[in-house]
Amino acid sequence: ETGVTQTPRHLVMGMTNKKSLKCEQHLGHNAMYWYKQSAKKPLELMFVYNFKEQTENNSVPSRFSPECPNSSHLFLHLHTLQPEDSALYLCASSQAPGQGRDEQFFGPGTRLTVL
Amino acid sequence: GQNIDQPTEMTATEGAIVQINCTYQTSGFNGLFWYQQHAGEAPTFLSYNVLDGLEEKGRFSSFLSRSKGYSYLLLKELQMKDSASYLCAVMDSNYQLIWGAGTKLIIKP
Repeated sequence: ETGVTQTPRHLVMGMTNKKSLKCEQHLGHNAMYWYKQSAKKPLELMFVYNFKEQTENNSVPSRFSPECPNSSHLFLHLHTLQPEDSALYLCASSQAPGQGRDEQFFGPGTRLTVL
Repeated sequence: GQNIDQPTEMTATEGAIVQINCTYQTSGFNGLFWYQQHAGEAPTFLSYNVLDGLEEKGRFSSFLSRSKGYSYLLLKELQMKDSASYLCAVMDSNYQLIWGAGTKLIIKP
C-alpha cells in the first residue's frame, strides 16, 4: 500500500448504530487529519493529531470520537449520528505541521450515509 | 471571520486556457495551496504560493498577490482529464488550512 488509505469506502448506517472509520498513512508523516466534505461546501477540519497528540478539535459534536494509536493510524468512531452527518469523510497526513509549505496528502475518503 | 471565495462552476473548451480565481480574507497568511479533486477521488496537491508572483509547473500556473488577497490558477492546453474540482486553501497564522468550496471545471470537446 502506498499513500493514504481509508476503509471502508462506503458506509450506510442507522442513527443508533456504532461504526468506525479507519485511516492509515504509509508516508512516514507526523500529523494526521480528519475532514468532513459536504456538497458545495468547504472542507471542514474536524481533528488534528501531531505525533499522536490531538492538537485541534474544531467544536466537533461528541458523537464523533477520534483515536490515534500511533503516527500511522487514525480512527473516527461514530455513534448516534444524525442524517445531516452524511458526507464524505477525508483523512489526510502531512510531514511538518506548523510550517508553511506543509502539503497534505489525502486518502480517497469514506462516503457516509446516515439513515 | 475567515473567508475564501472562488466561483462555483466554470466551463471551458478542450485545448483552450482557463483561469480560476480565488480571493481570501484570513487572519494571517502562511501560504496558499491549490488542490485538484476528481469526482469520487482524493484531493491532490497542485501548487503552493507564499511570495507574490507566478509559479509555473507544466500546463498549470498559479499566481499570488498578497496585498490584494488574490490568487488564480491558470490551466493551459486543456484536456478532458482536467475536468475536476479545484480547491483553493490558505494557511492562516495558526498554520491551519482554510478552504474554499471549490470550483467545478467542466471541459467540453
